Amino acid sequence: DTGVSQNPRHKITKRGQNVTFRCDPISEHNRLYWYRQTLGQGPEFLTYFQNEAQLEKSRLLSDRFSAERPKGSFSTLEIQRTEQGDSAMYLCASSGGTPYTEAFFGQGTRLTVV
Amino acid sequence: SQQGEEDPQALSIQEGENATMNCSYKTSINNLQWYRQNSGRGLVHLILIRSNEREKHSGRLRVTLDTSKKSSSLLITASRAADTASYFCATDRDNDMRFGAGTRLTVKP
Repeated sequence: DTGVSQNPRHKITKRGQNVTFRCDPISEHNRLYWYRQTLGQGPEFLTYFQNEAQLEKSRLLSDRFSAERPKGSFSTLEIQRTEQGDSAMYLCASSGGTPYTEAFFGQGTRLTVV
Repeated sequence: SQQGEEDPQALSIQEGENATMNCSYKTSINNLQWYRQNSGRGLVHLILIRSNEREKHSGRLRVTLDTSKKSSSLLITASRAADTASYFCATDRDNDMRFGAGTRLTVKP
């Protein structure tokens, strides 16, 4: 399967713990996006990479959140000192090649902070 | 911040009927994409329409774009129960896709 892959699919953590999610984009895609989605809402933009460069970061992404994309391949999203309000689905998408092409999403990582 | 805003928030129709969903946005865009999401699942890309296009078709889907009104519509013809899902529009200005809150479509068999 050459689609966008996210791991883990589910994560339950205690408040105050750190968590890290991984996203493997479609291999030839140079753009990678992270979104957060809560029940009944649309995806909220968190951050966007073009290759290894983080080009935009939402104000939603507090200093407890950090994302990296070393070597422009896979990406990680880390949340430090998790809070109950961080409970959500975290979605990754990739698009690539020619500008303004379709973006494809992974199945997401569902985070529950207890 | 969100950019697109879908209307209506919820739509319930009978199988075989057509469903129309609208999306309005605030700033200029390069393209607009429509996605479908089944409950608890990832988003599935449906169609992309560029700012210089006015209409696109894909199977039972028809998308229009009116950049002067900053709006788009998604028409699903001859709906099926399997079309039950949430539908989102995503506006793309500088490769920074922004989504609205979506339209929840229910197709009753």
